Amino acid sequence: KNQVEQSPQSLIILEGKNCTLQCNYTVSPFSNLRWYKQDTGRGPVSLTIMTFSENTKSNGRYTATLDADTKQSSLHITASQLSDSASYICVVSAGSNSGYALNFGKGTSLLVTP
Amino acid sequence: EPEVTQTPSHQVTQMGQEVILRCVPISNHLYFYWYRQILGQKVEFLVSFYNNEISEKSEIFDDQFSVERPDGSNFTLKIRSTKLEDSAMYFCASSVPTGMNIQYFGAGTRLSVL
Repeated sequence: KNQVEQSPQSLIILEGKNCTLQCNYTVSPFSNLRWYKQDTGRGPVSLTIMTFSENTKSNGRYTATLDADTKQSSLHITASQLSDSASYICVVSAGSNSGYALNFGKGTSLLVTP
Repeated sequence: EPEVTQTPSHQVTQMGQEVILRCVPISNHLYFYWYRQILGQKVEFLVSFYNNEISEKSEIFDDQFSVERPDGSNFTLKIRSTKLEDSAMYFCASSVPTGMNIQYFGAGTRLSVL
């Protein structure tokens, strides 16, 4: 069964600090891994997307890493801002033979405080 | 920037009633999806739709659910006889099925079944 596990479940950090979120997955066949940001009551917004051949990808203050061998990914947020407070969701795509269905983790709830 | 729009933003219905959730995907997209998120839980895949037919569906998408693209712009999710456990946030997404197949999500419809 395809699964995506994230840790920690929630995290509180001070504004300006860095943090790293973790994702482990068992999805087959693997197509790509995405990190989404979801504000409360809104739809998910894509931050990064990586295939198995990519080890790292950055989008501004967000840097994602992927180890396809160990099936682990991380999202590093640098110099956090209050607006970074949201749920960060790791999503793994199983590819076209699965109708491009996305497998979602439960998310890490991040709170950035002044 | 083009976006996926969903209506209504909040739907309240009585148990046993039929509801239709509406979505207008991004105009040049060819793949359409429905996801749901029960409060406090992860986003779950329901169905993907391509070329006027279902390409993949999850175990959740049973006979009480149906999807339709009634015209060139709308994509609907119908729940025939709602149950209390159908209360959730329903997200529509669309994509161009090339490359990374990035799915763009709408803001969601919150369905409350009383």
